[in-house]
Amino acid sequence: AQSVTQLDSHVSVSEGTPVLLRCNYSSSYSPSLFWYVQHPNKGLQLLLKYTSAATLVKGINGFEAEFKKSETSFHLTKPSAHMSDAAEYFCVVIPSGNTGKLIFGQGTTLQVKP
Amino acid sequence: DSGVTQTPKHLITATGQRVTLRCSPRSGDLSVYWYQQSLDQGLQFLIQYYNGEERAKGNILERFSAQQFPDLHSELNLSSLELGDSALYFCASSKDLNTEAFFGQGTRLTVV
Repeated sequence: AQSVTQLDSHVSVSEGTPVLLRCNYSSSYSPSLFWYVQHPNKGLQLLLKYTSAATLVKGINGFEAEFKKSETSFHLTKPSAHMSDAAEYFCVVIPSGNTGKLIFGQGTTLQVKP
Repeated sequence: DSGVTQTPKHLITATGQRVTLRCSPRSGDLSVYWYQQSLDQGLQFLIQYYNGEERAKGNILERFSAQQFPDLHSELNLSSLELGDSALYFCASSKDLNTEAFFGQGTRLTVV
């Protein structure tokens, strides 16, 4: 069965330091992968997507993610955290095969300290 | 703005009542998803429609039902409401089955 695991439920960084949010997936074939961000009491916003083109994907607000098939990972990074990045982040996979099924990770809460 | 519109934004109702949540997908999107988000259970997939047909079912209670209409808007009906149904209900839409979904701002349901 396809699944997504976000390896950290909570990450805390200082403003200006790098961010790393980890995501591993299991899928039989080449999936589509996404990262979403949710600020408190807001809807989920698409940060970036991977759909079998370039393995390094750039998203909004300076975030990027690298698809590593050998490691079945799709970690989200940002060189320098900003206070406004504090939010919950979800890694999502759509398995290949026209399933249309969005499989969500458990979410990672990012705290940014001044 | 994602282009997905959910109404109402807030809803307060009593236990035992029935409510209807409405979702208008982005123009051209055929697929609609419903999710429930609560503090204790996180984000739970409820149901998905594609071009008017039910496509997938998740953790949706029998007291809940949904449909997608010919104009592709969708409604989620929640009946015999319990305190535990208090949550944020999100709708999302996507162009087809393998593309990214765009989420609405949610309807916050409070059952008192």
